[in-house]
Amino acid sequence: NAGVMQNPRHLVRRRGQEARLRCSPVKGHSHVYWYRQLPEEGLKFMVYLQKENIIDESGMPKERFSAEFPKEGPSILRIQQVVRGDSAAYFCASSPGTGSSPLHFGNGTRLTVT
Amino acid sequence: DQQVKQNSPSLSVQEGRISILNCDYTNSMFDYFLWYKKYPAEGPTFLISISSIKDKNEDGRFTVFLNKSAKHLSLHIVPSQPGDSAVYFCAAIRSGTYKYIFGTGTRLKVLA
Repeated sequence: NAGVMQNPRHLVRRRGQEARLRCSPVKGHSHVYWYRQLPEEGLKFMVYLQKENIIDESGMPKERFSAEFPKEGPSILRIQQVVRGDSAAYFCASSPGTGSSPLHFGNGTRLTVT
Repeated sequence: DQQVKQNSPSLSVQEGRISILNCDYTNSMFDYFLWYKKYPAEGPTFLISISSIKDKNEDGRFTVFLNKSAKHLSLHIVPSQPGDSAVYFCAAIRSGTYKYIFGTGTRLKVLA
């Protein structure tokens, strides 16, 4: 099964530590999205990347958050100096291109900041 | 600015009956709409979509209806089954762009 793979599934970090979330898109997909879901809320767009390029990071806080999608390897969402408010489920999705095709989601990484 | 709205946070339906989930949007440039289903501790799974050139799309027990003039779409599940109990998200996008906008979800509970 070549679906979107995210790891780890669960991540616990103390306040001030760094969190690294990984996402391997569907094979052949060059478009990657990151979404965040807070408890009892919907999916909030964070960032959209194509291979080696950040296209739109307007949904991502400018401080402490960064994302990359290198030529080789998975996409990484990095959160530095985590705070309790960063606790959420982070979902990665991929698509083969823009427009009229569904996003394929991974099972998410649940980040808990203690 | 919530461009895609799901005004019912939850819905309970008896097994075998019809479930109707609603979604409204404000941006008339959206021309492709999707429904996703999400179980706890899993990612959203694509269910069904519709292009704005159609007003109905059917796939088995699932039918999506689109009313462009009202900027409204709905998902019908007939007959509803206990395994359909999940959170349902609608999403919208303008073709050729990349920004999928999701609603806040409706939690469907199908009672056996």
